[in-house]
Amino acid sequence: EAQVTQNPRYLITVTGKKLTVTCSQNMNHEYMSWYRQDPGLGLRQIYYSMNVEVTDKGDVPEGYKVSRKEKRNFPLILESPSPNQTSLYFCASSFAGNTEAFFGQGTRLTVV
Amino acid sequence: QKEVEQDPGPLSVPEGAIVSLNCTYSNSAFQYFMWYRQYSRKGPELLMYTYSSGNKEDGRFTAQVDKSSKYISLFIRDSQPSDSATYLCAMGGASGGSYIPTFGRGTSLIVHP
Repeated sequence: EAQVTQNPRYLITVTGKKLTVTCSQNMNHEYMSWYRQDPGLGLRQIYYSMNVEVTDKGDVPEGYKVSRKEKRNFPLILESPSPNQTSLYFCASSFAGNTEAFFGQGTRLTVV
Repeated sequence: QKEVEQDPGPLSVPEGAIVSLNCTYSNSAFQYFMWYRQYSRKGPELLMYTYSSGNKEDGRFTAQVDKSSKYISLFIRDSQPSDSATYLCAMGGASGGSYIPTFGRGTSLIVHP
């Protein structure tokens, strides 16, 4: 089954404790991206990657890191999480930036 | 001003009503336009994709793009309670332009029996 898999689905952590949210896709897509979704603000892009070893900032990259060492994986790293990073996070993949994006199920992160 | 404006709602309608959801945008370079549907506690899923201006119909759903007015619409005919979800518009440039889609904030739709 074609899918984008994120883990974990839910995470509660403390300020400053490094964490990684994993994202994997099985559709051989070139393009992957991370979004955060907040009430009243909608979906905002954090980082995107157009291919292996090629990443670029989206609209809200501060406080986040990503890497794309393999085509199928695109982890999101929070080196020192803060409460303002409490949000619902989505990973997405597509053949290109202007084609249908397939989203993961989301990761609800709470930073206390 | 945000590049893409979308009223967050909520929009509450009775079953069977015709629903109109809209987005306006400011970037004249946008060439492709999408509508995603997001159910509660799920990721968004593509509903409609249109390129440039015009209409596209798929069952009870019609997507309309008016580039001269920078205005896009999604119409839902004979709305059902199962249509209750958040609808997000997304748009971006054509090949050679910006690949990054810009999303609207989403409109929450409630269809009550």
